[in-house]
Amino acid sequence: GAVVSQHPSRVICKSGTSVKIECRSLDFQATTMFWYRQFPKQSLMLMATSNEGSKATYEQGVEKDKFLINHASLTLSTLTVTSAHPEDSSFYICSARDLGTGGEVETQYFGPGTRLLVL
Amino acid sequence: GQNIDQPTEMTATEGAIVQINCTYQTSGFNGLFWYQQHAGEAPTFLSYNVLDGLEEKGRFSSFLSRSKGYSYLLLKELQMKDSASYLCAAMDSNYQLIWGAGTKLIIKP
Repeated sequence: GAVVSQHPSRVICKSGTSVKIECRSLDFQATTMFWYRQFPKQSLMLMATSNEGSKATYEQGVEKDKFLINHASLTLSTLTVTSAHPEDSSFYICSARDLGTGGEVETQYFGPGTRLLVL
Repeated sequence: GQNIDQPTEMTATEGAIVQINCTYQTSGFNGLFWYQQHAGEAPTFLSYNVLDGLEEKGRFSSFLSRSKGYSYLLLKELQMKDSASYLCAAMDSNYQLIWGAGTKLIIKP
């Protein structure tokens, strides 16, 4: 399957600082990427849909000024957690939509995730 | 509203067969996905069904009935490494994935 990378894999920061997480599709172009967060023993929660060249679409309850998303190219989307607080500590996972070619089905492939701990 | 239901937890024995069921209600339908997620890791893609019937891929098979809004993931010859959460997700008319809460599968020797 397609490969999606995510960086960093783990980050610890102080309360009040900002953290940037990168999501890259390595072997396909992704016009759409998704950002999820997952708390322990819970399912994925979609935060926002990132579209290349346009503004991200945020899910209800997700603060767009706190979680800044930039989809600057067809292979890169970034999520910046601004003024992070301990309650923002979570597992952040991106996925990229692969539209498929030659009859292959459209699929989402996930990055390995970023574990954020805010002290 | 949109909803995905799957059991919270299942237990099976190494070498046996287990079936994980999933029912869905979505606004439009563009396919049903199964993902495997080991603890502390991101989900990995297992299967995709958009037509009725059974898709077999090695030890794993996935079934879909669109008229019933029902799917299952069948795991054969269970191995200890199959212990994981299995996530069912339906793609709606906007091509968004609607996620189930996941089924934690525990494999016992």
